[in-house]
Amino acid sequence: NAGVTQTPKFQVLKTGQSMTLQCAQDMNHEYMSWYRQDPGMGLRLIHYSVGAGITDQGEVPNGYNVSRSTTEDFPLRLLSAAPSQTSVYFCASTSDGSSYEQYFGPGTRLTVT
Amino acid sequence: EDQVTQSPEALRLQEGESSSLNCSYTVSGLRGLFWYRQDPGKGPEFLFTLYSAGEEKEKERLKATLTKKESFLHITAPKPEDSATYLCAVQAVGGGRRDDKIIFGKGTRLHILP
Repeated sequence: NAGVTQTPKFQVLKTGQSMTLQCAQDMNHEYMSWYRQDPGMGLRLIHYSVGAGITDQGEVPNGYNVSRSTTEDFPLRLLSAAPSQTSVYFCASTSDGSSYEQYFGPGTRLTVT
Repeated sequence: EDQVTQSPEALRLQEGESSSLNCSYTVSGLRGLFWYRQDPGKGPEFLFTLYSAGEEKEKERLKATLTKKESFLHITAPKPEDSATYLCAVQAVGGGRRDDKIIFGKGTRLHILP
């Protein structure tokens, strides 16, 4: 079991560029989430999914899109990168829809210049 | 407003020196409180879930407790490998899981000196 994997590990973008952060899990978990972690702040929920074909917005969804075509994959798209999106992004999954006992991926460190 | 506050921000202890980390919360309704450990450059690792006041959970040198206003993570006789950032998160009740909010604290950076 690889658990939750994320690619790339590091990325530098210019303002206005778009990109997709990849997330995959091999635990057959229905529930997946994307968070961002900024210095001096707690993790903040961007988007989440309760199963294939179903996504919903979290606390800070603006500037990001998600889709969930399979149980395994949950990519996060930045439509037009802005310096305010410089952050570390974590993907997480859980089998328990009523709880936040989550498995986190290793993160993607994104810098937007 | 729902919020989670962790204290102290940072803590340095000698190996074997026991202490406690605090997580205080203000939410309209608590569905669960979670503790995570995060090592530098890695994702958080789940430690404990607490659901109701008076509940306690233990794992090796760590014990988590919960009251109606706060949770403590007690570290007994810590070792250098316990050095990490410890995160507290609260699941605040909404209309259902899809309406619940998850609020993370900023974390406590713990450094255990050999």
